[in-house]
Amino acid sequence: NAGVMQNPRHLVRRRGQEARLRCSPMKGHSHVYWYRQLPEEGLKFMVYLQKENIIDESGMPKERFSAEFPKEGPSILRIQQVVRGDSAAYFCASSPRGTGSNTGELFFGEGSRLTVL
Amino acid sequence: AQSVSQHNHHVILSEAASLELGCNYSYGGTVNLFWYVQYPGQHLQLLLKYFSGDPLVKGIKGFEAEFIKSKFSFNLRKPSVQWSDTAEYFCAVHGSGNTGKLIFGQGTTLQVKP
Repeated sequence: NAGVMQNPRHLVRRRGQEARLRCSPMKGHSHVYWYRQLPEEGLKFMVYLQKENIIDESGMPKERFSAEFPKEGPSILRIQQVVRGDSAAYFCASSPRGTGSNTGELFFGEGSRLTVL
Repeated sequence: AQSVSQHNHHVILSEAASLELGCNYSYGGTVNLFWYVQYPGQHLQLLLKYFSGDPLVKGIKGFEAEFIKSKFSFNLRKPSVQWSDTAEYFCAVHGSGNTGKLIFGQGTTLQVKP
C-alpha cells in the first residue's frame, strides 16, 4: 500500500519564479494537509483540503500561495513569485476521515524541499 | 489559540541513558496527543498517540508517554536509548472541534552518542 507521495523531492527556483509541489494521498484518503518546516522551526500548518474544497486555510500566507485538491489528480501547493524566505521543506499529510470523526492522526509524505536562489 | 511547547531543543545522550522529552500544550477542550519522529532523511512517522483511557501510552521502539491533564503535559520517555534513536521528535495536539489539523511543537533534536 503506497504511502503519501510527494514530488518533486527537491526543487530549485530563482526569485520571482513559480513553484508547484504535488501530493498524492494514501489510497482511500480524501483529506490532505500541507505543512511547512522552516530551518530551526517546527512544522507549521498551512492548509487543509478535501476533494475540491478548501476546509481550513488559516495558515496560508495571504499572497502568492494557493492550494487545490481537484476531483482527479494530486493536491497542488502553488507558490508564485518565490522569494528566498520561501525556502523550506513542505510536507503533505493525509487522513482517511474528516471533521467530526477525525482523530487527528496524519500520514506524512517525505516532503518537498524548495530552495530559492 | 492552541499552542504546543517543547522545552528541549537539542538533547545529547550516551547510549543506554534514559530519555525524557517535555511537551506542554495550551488548549481548553478535549485533546488527542501525538509524538512523531523524523529520522534523518525520512518522513515523519507516528511514534505513539493518546486518545482516551490509560494516560500512560506505549509506542513503538520502547517509547512511552504519559498524559497529565492537570499539567497539560505529554512527556515522552524511554528507559535506555540507542544510537538508532537519533532523530527529531515532534509533539502534536489535535483539539476537539478543530478542523482536523495538528498543531506541532518546535521539535527536539536527539543525538545519541555510541
